Amino acid sequence: KAGVTQTPRYLIKTRGQQVTLSCSPISGHRSVSWYQQTPGQGLQFLFEYFSETQRNKGNFPGRFSGRQFSNSRSEMNVSTLELGDSALYLCASSLEAQYNEQFFGPGTRLTVL
Amino acid sequence: GENVEQHPSTLSVQEGDSAVIKCTYSDSASNYFPWYKQELGKGPQLIIDIRSNVGEKKDQRIAVTLNKTAKHFSLHITETQPEDSAVYFCAASLGNEKLTFGTGTRLTIIP
Repeated sequence: KAGVTQTPRYLIKTRGQQVTLSCSPISGHRSVSWYQQTPGQGLQFLFEYFSETQRNKGNFPGRFSGRQFSNSRSEMNVSTLELGDSALYLCASSLEAQYNEQFFGPGTRLTVL
Repeated sequence: GENVEQHPSTLSVQEGDSAVIKCTYSDSASNYFPWYKQELGKGPQLIIDIRSNVGEKKDQRIAVTLNKTAKHFSLHITETQPEDSAVYFCAASLGNEKLTFGTGTRLTIIP
């Protein structure tokens, strides 16, 4: 069974631009969560989607948004990029139980210049 | 909300020795405690987890113990090998609540 895939793997943007990251969960998994990982803050929860609905949201500004499609694939968008948005963005999927047994993708490394 | 503290932040052990990483959590209602291993350039990988109705769980060289009274849980790795070198994260959650992660432990196995 294929694992969680994320595209692109690396991205370089400049301040003020926007970016869209994509995540394909493990087949059959309906829950997708997004995390931001930085050396200073560790793994911070962004939001979680289940059956195309956002079920939980972390403490991030409205510039961070996401969505989930009917095939469970998910995208997250960051608008008006800031230097501090440089991070590894991780997607994790799980079957039904929302946050149990999450399986992570390799991440998208975003660099904002 | 839940708060998870993890210690130590770095740990070096001789190959073959044991390594122990400890985490404490704040919400006594938390009931799910996974451990993740993250290697360079990769996403975190679930290596073992425990639920609040169990005190200990083992999987080959890896074990996790949970003390609900003290609100702490620990990861034990025995007979460490070079491939155990990585960053390890603990996490805690309550039912359908989000996972809250510890700050990570960089484990280095010295050959």
